[in-house]
Amino acid sequence: EADIYQTPRYLVIGTGKKITLECSQTMGHDKMYWYQQDPGMELHLIHYSYGVNSTEKGDLSSESTVSRIRTEHFPLTLESARPSHTSQYLCASSDEVSLIDTQYFGPGTRLTVL
Amino acid sequence: AQTVTQSQPEMSVQEAETVTLSCTYDTSENNYYLFWYKQPPSRQMILVIRQEAYKQQNATENRFSVNFQKAAKSFSLKISDSQLGDTAMYFCAFMKVGLYNFNKFYFGSGTKLNVKP
Repeated sequence: EADIYQTPRYLVIGTGKKITLECSQTMGHDKMYWYQQDPGMELHLIHYSYGVNSTEKGDLSSESTVSRIRTEHFPLTLESARPSHTSQYLCASSDEVSLIDTQYFGPGTRLTVL
Repeated sequence: AQTVTQSQPEMSVQEAETVTLSCTYDTSENNYYLFWYKQPPSRQMILVIRQEAYKQQNATENRFSVNFQKAAKSFSLKISDSQLGDTAMYFCAFMKVGLYNFNKFYFGSGTKLNVKP
């Protein structure tokens, strides 16, 4: 399996709390991604990064923010969690071999906001 | 915009039999790649197989093969000799070759495959 890690795996938290979802990879990949995945639904890209100090918003609007201070670390922060944020959040990184990105996914964080 | 459709939310297959998962996509792009990812229960999503759109030959990886029909925008996954370990959610994904060296991925809603003993 790929060397990409997410913590926590499960989080139940009350409305209004600030949370940070951690994502780390040890493969030295420049590109990293955050996806949001509701049960039985497709993955939606919410943030991505080309490399250190580079972050962009994805196709799905999200109230979360990300940072990329180190290559291996790409945390996602919600300043004030709401029930609508309840979802699974998947982090991924990719290498590029002959123009093809192969994405490696973390195990995900299942977030429940009460 | 790119869309990926997996019309089979759930499928079952007997161990050792063959099953085909369907995927269609919509795009106006000519340069793209297609992927099948597998997400076992409570485990990480992993790449199963990928196909370059410019290649006519269907990709094959051991028991996994695809039927890529570019004109029909269809990309089905065939699993031969199904094993219990194949039980998972399978996601079809489309990768658009983007600007500035960034390639965007679009995923289908997934097909839950249950391999029965």
